[in-house]
Amino acid sequence: DAMVIQNPRYQVTQFGKPVTLSCSQTLNHNVMYWYQQKSSQAPKLLFHYYDKDFNNEADTPDNFQSRRPNTSFCFLDIRSPGLGDAAMYLCATSPGGGRDTQYFGPGTRLTVL
Amino acid sequence: GENVEQHPSTLSVQEGDSAVIKCTYSDSASNYFPWYKQELGKGPQLIIDIRSNVGEKKDQRIAVTLNKTAKHFSLHITETQPEDSAVYFCAASKGNNAGNMLTFGGGTRLMVKP
Repeated sequence: DAMVIQNPRYQVTQFGKPVTLSCSQTLNHNVMYWYQQKSSQAPKLLFHYYDKDFNNEADTPDNFQSRRPNTSFCFLDIRSPGLGDAAMYLCATSPGGGRDTQYFGPGTRLTVL
Repeated sequence: GENVEQHPSTLSVQEGDSAVIKCTYSDSASNYFPWYKQELGKGPQLIIDIRSNVGEKKDQRIAVTLNKTAKHFSLHITETQPEDSAVYFCAASKGNNAGNMLTFGGGTRLMVKP
């Protein structure tokens, strides 16, 4: 089945230790998104890629970066995680070109010790 | 920018009853309105969506209605079952060729009691 895959599902890191979360998709979608979701809140968009074009949300901290080496993969790098960065991180994709339905992966729950 | 409000924040119903969740949006240019179901520890799953050129859409026990004039849309679940228990999010977007930015409502925790 075509899908959005996130690895790992659970990630534990230490305060200040860089961490990378990964997302892959078999949908061949042009657009990939990263969201942060804290307990009992709606997902908050961090940034998205339309093909290779990177679009950062205005309030996304500089601590968060992203890479998209090819159509299928997208990475979220947190350079120096703080306790406040503990959250569920969701990857989503959409076809682009005016076709706008977003499909989410299962998420990676990040714990910062 | 767009603002989406969702009510109620929690909803408890008896199995077999209907559940209704309502959302309002502020940007009249929004034209796409998806609903997502999120179970504990999982990613949001799209359950139904509607575009601004239709007023209602139904898929088995789930329906969505849209009132563009009043700028509100609602999710209706009939004959609720315990497995419908989850957090439901509405969202709105204008959609464009550069990607689709969703603005989410605050979520509704639905509990279906057996």
